[in-house]
Amino acid sequence: DTGVSQDPRHKITKRGQNVTFRCDPISEHNRLYWYRQTLGQGPEFLTYFQNEAQLEKSRLLSDRFSAERPKGSFSTLEIQRTEQGDSAMYLCASSSRGGNEKLFFGSGTQLSVL
Amino acid sequence: DQQVKQNSPSLSVQEGRISILNCDYTNSMFDYFLWYKKYPAEGPTFLISISSIKDKNEDGRFTVFLNKSAKHLSLHIVPSQPGDSAVYFCAASGREGAQKLVFGQGTRLTINP
Repeated sequence: DTGVSQDPRHKITKRGQNVTFRCDPISEHNRLYWYRQTLGQGPEFLTYFQNEAQLEKSRLLSDRFSAERPKGSFSTLEIQRTEQGDSAMYLCASSSRGGNEKLFFGSGTQLSVL
Repeated sequence: DQQVKQNSPSLSVQEGRISILNCDYTNSMFDYFLWYKKYPAEGPTFLISISSIKDKNEDGRFTVFLNKSAKHLSLHIVPSQPGDSAVYFCAASGREGAQKLVFGQGTRLTINP
């Protein structure tokens, strides 16, 4: 299966700790997206990469959040000094073309901040 | 500011009947609309899409209708099958180079045997 892979699937952390998530997109896709989904809501856009360049960030992405995509392959999303409000499902998606093309989502990382 | 709204959190339909899921949007700059389906513990998967230049797109049992004047789209599933039980999200994107989708809150569809 060469779909979008996310690691870990679940993360439980204490408030104030730093966490890092990894996403491996479909290998031929040059575009990578991070979304966040909370209970009862649809996914909300966080940030977008084309190759290694981070081209757009949502205002939802506070200074405590940082995303990277070195070499235009896998991506990491780090949250520093986690807060309880950061608890959510973090979804990664990739595509071979821009926003009008269908995105391929991973299964997500479920973050719980205690 | 919820630009894409799915006002029905849940819908229950008998197997074999038609399922109709609705979605409204407020941003007139949206020009491409998609439906995604999500099973528990999995990410959303693409189902069907429609461009604003069309008012209907069909793919097998799934048909999406777009009413631009009403800023409304709907997804019809006929006949409904038990495997269609999932959460359905509508999403929209704009023309100005925005590379992100705006999702609705989702509707949980349950198909009863």
